[in-house]
Formats: sequence, structure tokens, C-alpha cells
Amino acid sequence: DAKTTQPPSMDCAEGRAANLPCNHSTISGNEYVYWYRQIHSQGPQYIIHGLKNNETNEMASLIITEDRKSSTLILPHATLRDTAVYYCIVVRMDSSYKLIFGSGTRLLVRP
Amino acid sequence: DSGVTQTPKHLITATGQRVTLRCSPRSGDLSVYWYQQSLDQGLQFLIQYYNGEERAKGNILERFSAQQFPDLHSELNLSSLELGDSALYFCASSVDPGGSRKTQYFGPGTRLLVL
Repeated sequence: DAKTTQPPSMDCAEGRAANLPCNHSTISGNEYVYWYRQIHSQGPQYIIHGLKNNETNEMASLIITEDRKSSTLILPHATLRDTAVYYCIVVRMDSSYKLIFGSGTRLLVRP
Repeated sequence: DSGVTQTPKHLITATGQRVTLRCSPRSGDLSVYWYQQSLDQGLQFLIQYYNGEERAKGNILERFSAQQFPDLHSELNLSSLELGDSALYFCASSVDPGGSRKTQYFGPGTRLLVL
């Protein structure tokens, strides 16, 4: 599985967009990019995933570069409840779909 | 609410004891995964079951075992417990491990404290 690199921490002001980067330069063609977040010690929460096209849902947008070596998760209007650890995970499309969590990015949303 | 339920929420036990953690997947999900989150190791994959059969193993200790029952709920058994087994244990489920229906949804976890 491809390894990901994320900044250990970031912060943004409430109401502003939060842009969380992820580097996955060794990603292969059959690997998806998934984003999860964990608020305090709750169970990880699925946010969004993509293969090569940009994706958007009610929670966030995912921008994947054309070469697929990096991506950015965008929370368009961050709220205090978005304070969490965000994990970018590359997942191979085979029968075993284990998630390999790195250290993630600790996002602090400031009032 | 992800639809995945885990019981108990908290468990306190002593070293050497055995405990069983239970997980009920989302309705319709065939695959169950177990993860351990400790302070020093982060979130680690333990084991995966699909429709009653073991599909993949991660860094699961020999003292730990799991199974998935015909009704698709799963149990994680931890025996000869040590202090270092204190952690959060999460269960996740997905519709199918293959194809595009792979998204895993996590339960709220069981917090295990071994004294």
C-alpha cells in the first residue's frame, strides 16, 4: 500500500475553508484515496474518497492532482465541530481492504 | 451514527483475564474489521471477516481471536490480558470487500482498561 505524508497539525478560523494536504507520491493505478477523521476518541468517520477525479459530497471536497501524487481535502466552511485528526489513506482495490492509518493531521478550528 | 454498534462501551479487567468484545455491523454489510488504537501505536488493523470467513490478518496477537457468526455479528476475544492491551478497540463494517463498495463505517469503540 502506498504511504501518505500529512502535516502533523494545522489550524484555521471558524467559517473559513480548511485545506488539508496529503502527499501520496507512490500511489498506483488501482489505489483510491480515502479520507477519514477522528473526533477525540470517537470511531473514525468516513469523509470522502476518490480515484482520479475531484469529488464533492455534503461534508467536503477532494481535489486530486492530475498525476495523482497528492490530494487536498477541503472543508468549505469549517466549524468548531470540525476540530479532529484527519487521516488520508491510500487503499488498494483488492479483496482485503484493510485501512492503514498514519499519524494524520490534527486540525484545530479557532473561534 | 454509523449504524455499527459495539458492546460494551467500557471494560475494566485484570491482567490474565479474558474478555469478549462484540460488534454488530450495519444492516446489509457482509464484512467486519477490527482495529486497535493504543496511545503509542495509533490505529492498527487487526483482522477482517467476510460473510463468516477470515479474509485478512494484521498485527493480531496469538492471544487474540475473532469470529463472525451466521447473523454477521462479530466477536473479538482477548485472553491472558496484559497491561499493554489497554486500548480502544474499534469495529468497522462494509458491504463488500471487493469492488467499489469498500467504504468502512466505524462503530463507537470499546475502551478496555487492564489493571
